[in-house]
Amino acid sequence: DAGVTQSPTHLIKTRGQQVTLRCSPKSGHDTVSWYQQALGQGPQFIFQYYEEEERQRGNFPDRFSGHQFPNYSSELNVNALLLGDSALYLCASSPGRMNTEAFFGQGTRLTVV
Amino acid sequence: DAKTTQPNSMESNEEEPVHLPCNHSTISGTDYIHWYRQLPSQGPEYVIHGLTSNVNNRMASLAIAEDRKSSTLILHRATLRDAAVYYCILRWGVLDTDKLIFGTGTRLQVFP
Repeated sequence: DAGVTQSPTHLIKTRGQQVTLRCSPKSGHDTVSWYQQALGQGPQFIFQYYEEEERQRGNFPDRFSGHQFPNYSSELNVNALLLGDSALYLCASSPGRMNTEAFFGQGTRLTVV
Repeated sequence: DAKTTQPNSMESNEEEPVHLPCNHSTISGTDYIHWYRQLPSQGPEYVIHGLTSNVNNRMASLAIAEDRKSSTLILHRATLRDAAVYYCILRWGVLDTDKLIFGTGTRLQVFP
């Protein structure tokens, strides 16, 4: 079992550009959540996808959008990048049942210059 | 979202027990208490969770106060690999929601 895989591992973008991050959930998991972790902080919830729809959303602007595919993999898109978007972006998957453990990927380190 | 309060940092020696405290005075009756940890350069990993009774698994034990306003994660014998940031999180147990609200956690240092 490969667990949760994210790509790419590192990325450097210029302010104003757009970026797409990808996540493959753990086998058998249908729910994918995305988190942003700034340096020295705990992860902050961005949104969650289930059955190809956004089910919950945290306090992030519309520049952050996502998608879930029929195979449960997911993408996170960020438009009009700001310097403050530099962070570790984490994907977590779970089987979608109440209060089960979430499995996290290693994250994508995004640097905006 | 219910809040938790944890010390910023703690230290331990290898092979000694570690008690990591968490206060959650505004916990509701349907909130589960979850613990995750994040090793350097990795994503968070699940440690343990509970509702009212104390819980044990291969990684740790979770002791929950009778009034549920506090809990303690217990690592019975700390190893160097246990050096990580430990997060205490409350998760709403009524609806099927998996959102995790992380605080700043407790950074545990383990000395040989």
